[in-house]
Amino acid sequence: EPEVTQTPSHQVTQMGQEVILRCVPISNHLYFYWYRQILGQKVEFLVSFYNNEISEKSEIFDDQFSVERPDGSNFTLKIRSTKLEDSAMYFCASSAGAGGGTGELFFGEGSRLTVL
Amino acid sequence: AQSVSQHNHHVILSEAASLELGCNYSYGGTVNLFWYVQYPGQHLQLLLKYFSGDPLVKGIKGFEAEFIKSKFSFNLRKPSVQWSDTAEYFCAVGPSGGYQKVTFGTGTKLQVIP
Repeated sequence: EPEVTQTPSHQVTQMGQEVILRCVPISNHLYFYWYRQILGQKVEFLVSFYNNEISEKSEIFDDQFSVERPDGSNFTLKIRSTKLEDSAMYFCASSAGAGGGTGELFFGEGSRLTVL
Repeated sequence: AQSVSQHNHHVILSEAASLELGCNYSYGGTVNLFWYVQYPGQHLQLLLKYFSGDPLVKGIKGFEAEFIKSKFSFNLRKPSVQWSDTAEYFCAVGPSGGYQKVTFGTGTKLQVIP
């Protein structure tokens, strides 16, 4: 069964460092998302991406965040200068999208980011 | 903007007890509704979804949910829970259509005692 894969599974970084989280969405999907879950809190939407551009972003997704689909298969989330409050589990998701897609999100297993 | 509220934050049940987790949503248009489950140490998995048609939706592992449009509700039910159902359950809503940002509720932690 196709699945969304994420790397790394866990990253520990120092405050102020740049972090790149990687995701390989399901191959025929059109829409890509990043969500995050701070420990003990709800799953929060960060950004959605379609046709090589951001479709929607939340207020959490400020200038220190960026997303990219560099090579047609990977979908990355970059945090330019990490802060302590960026510590969370980051989930990548993809969905088939328009033209018959059901809109169901398929999630990866998550990348746990710990900022020290 | 869409929003989701889950009434129960932590539920403790004995095995074989019946389960009902409440979920209400707010959105001005046609919606797709989801329940996701997160088992300890694992990623989010889809339990069931409603897009249209029969408002009683059956999902995996014996779970079902009923969409009541007049009440803006999508409650999750299971007649008899098992210890393996211990997990966190998230209700989610998204506008219908191919593309959607899904908004999650705060989650309900279910603990099933053997």
